[in-house]
Amino acid sequence: NAGVTQTPKFRVLKTGQSMTLLCAQDMNHEYMYWYRQDPGMGLRLIHYSVGEGTTAKGEVPDGYNVSRLKKQNFLLGLESAAPSQTSVYFCASNDRGNQPQHFGDGTRLSIL
Amino acid sequence: QQQVKQSPQSLIVQKGGISIINCAYENTAFDYFPWYQQFPGKGPALLIAIRPDVSEKKEGRFTISFNKSAKQFSLHIMDSQPGDSATYFCAASLTGSARQLTFGSGTQLTVLP
Repeated sequence: NAGVTQTPKFRVLKTGQSMTLLCAQDMNHEYMYWYRQDPGMGLRLIHYSVGEGTTAKGEVPDGYNVSRLKKQNFLLGLESAAPSQTSVYFCASNDRGNQPQHFGDGTRLSIL
Repeated sequence: QQQVKQSPQSLIVQKGGISIINCAYENTAFDYFPWYQQFPGKGPALLIAIRPDVSEKKEGRFTISFNKSAKQFSLHIMDSQPGDSATYFCAASLTGSARQLTFGSGTQLTVLP
């Protein structure tokens, strides 16, 4: 029972490079979320999706894009990475908005 | 704009003691208040949650106390154990289709053996 799986677990990028973070869930959840976690700031919502083919902006969406082409996958893209995007990124999912969110174990991203 | 303020930033408690973490919120429309527990290298996991129609909820050694008039809620961990050492986040959300969570800044709890 994998739950929410994030790949990769670690990545180092140079400024200006692009990359995609993958989140996969095997719980048939409708809703999926991307957060970033920075020291002293808790988790902040980047983007979320309420179903296949839908996406919406969260609190800190600038510099990120997302796609939800399949119900089980939610992709987070950085088109031109900046040092300010160095963070730990967490994906979460739930069945409905009022159900607990299940989190993956995070992707640690460093941008030099 | 920090809508959920959490304190203290860090907390050290002796084994068997009571750990207390406090949160205050600004938006009176928030209607769901969960607490998440996070161990190093892992994602947050839901610990316990409360809605504003009750003043207290208890699950085992964990209790949430909720004060709607003061816009404050707190987590109490009774008989704290070294295995409780983790980072704790309070959060709040609005009724809506996606239940977007607004998190506090976190409290790093260390329980000494």
